[in-house]
Amino acid sequence: GENVEQHPSTLSVQEGDSAVIKCTYSDSASNYFPWYKQELGKRPQLIIDIRSNVGEKKDQRIAVTLNKTAKHFSLHITETQPEDSAVYFCAASKGSGYALNFGKGTSLLVTP
Amino acid sequence: NAGVTQTPKFQVLKTGQSMTLQCAQDMNHEYMSWYRQDPGMGLRLIHYSVGAGITDQGEVPNGYNVSRSTTEDFPLRLLSAAPSQTSVYFCASGKGQETQYFGPGTRLLVL
Repeated sequence: GENVEQHPSTLSVQEGDSAVIKCTYSDSASNYFPWYKQELGKRPQLIIDIRSNVGEKKDQRIAVTLNKTAKHFSLHITETQPEDSAVYFCAASKGSGYALNFGKGTSLLVTP
Repeated sequence: NAGVTQTPKFQVLKTGQSMTLQCAQDMNHEYMSWYRQDPGMGLRLIHYSVGAGITDQGEVPNGYNVSRSTTEDFPLRLLSAAPSQTSVYFCASGKGQETQYFGPGTRLLVL
């Protein structure tokens, strides 16, 4: 089955700096790659996603890049703010977005 | 729309007891899934459904049963609870090429 690895497991940055989280996947048939943010005690919430026919996608301070040849994708957060502190999960799927295979998460701490 | 709802929010079981975690959505979504979340393990897929009457196993299906008799509901059954099933359970739903939306979760403690 699909194996998604996520690095780093923890990340601490100062407010205003950029944060980068990287994921690799094993199944070349995967074609949908969402990123979720989960605050303590809350449900995961989608922040951005990318499909295999796109190399990069941006939404304000958040961007995701995808390299299908190397089977890796990354989340970039610019101008980080304390409210960005949370656990971020990457995922991969061969379907339309259901049956997601998740990475183990990255705990991001943004210090003022 | 209420979105994705889950009940109960919290449950304590004794080893060997059975229970059903409820999940419902009012968005006419085709796809519904169950995940469990354990510390340091991320979210792992238990079972999923692509429509009423159709279910399939995910990564960690053992000890859990599901059925999908309606579009709206996707209950998860624990037939004989074990301490290893202590976890937070999330239900999710989605449609077509749209993303999945997660419910608020059920915290389960098995003693």
